[in-house]
Amino acid sequence: GAGVSQSPSNKVTEKGKDVELRCDPISGHTALYWYRQSLGQGLEFLIYFQGNSAPDKSGLPSDRFSAERTGGSVSTLTIQRTQQEDSAVYLCASSFIFLAGGWDTQYFGPGTRLTVL
Amino acid sequence: QKEVEQNSGPLSVPEGAIASLNCTYSDRVSQSFFWYRQYSGKSPELIMSIYSNGDKEDGRFTAQLNKASQYVSLLIRDSQPSDSATYLCAVNSLRAGGTSYGKLTFGQGTILTVHP
Repeated sequence: GAGVSQSPSNKVTEKGKDVELRCDPISGHTALYWYRQSLGQGLEFLIYFQGNSAPDKSGLPSDRFSAERTGGSVSTLTIQRTQQEDSAVYLCASSFIFLAGGWDTQYFGPGTRLTVL
Repeated sequence: QKEVEQNSGPLSVPEGAIASLNCTYSDRVSQSFFWYRQYSGKSPELIMSIYSNGDKEDGRFTAQLNKASQYVSLLIRDSQPSDSATYLCAVNSLRAGGTSYGKLTFGQGTILTVHP
């Protein structure tokens, strides 16, 4: 079946502009995650959605970052007043089975490469 | 101390050899462990998941977990040049209330090169 999709695949923006990144999870997956991968920084967690609510926003680096999810499906990550340090690949993942004890398997989308000039 | 540690490599092995990738984690309540493979410019793809102590085999891949030692490894038998990639170890921990939010903590990844 269809995997996680993200758009755009590449985004180049100027410092100070706002950007929106979109994620379409695998159909039926109730959990959705955003991660960021920077050169030399590895993969870091940003935010997690269970349905439309976000019980864990602990990874958002500043209040310029926000995310929402509607209809338990599509999610949008918004970065306001972008800075050069925001340049990274933003990855979305989703999972279907969410059981007590942490039996999650996450499947990743292709990512959005953000470049802030 | 980093929560999840891996040797960054690069690890270079000849074609047909066994590649051994190691990972240690610091959170004793960690419950789920994953190995992802990431080709350059691509997103991570799941290779193996393991939840219980011991070995889990899937084709040429074997994951090994030792919770007492807080150690998880991945063995790749009969390594192929197509296995050349970065291998990411990821750990998921329980949160308050006994449920997991699914947050994965990743190691920095080990670069594996399999040469013909």
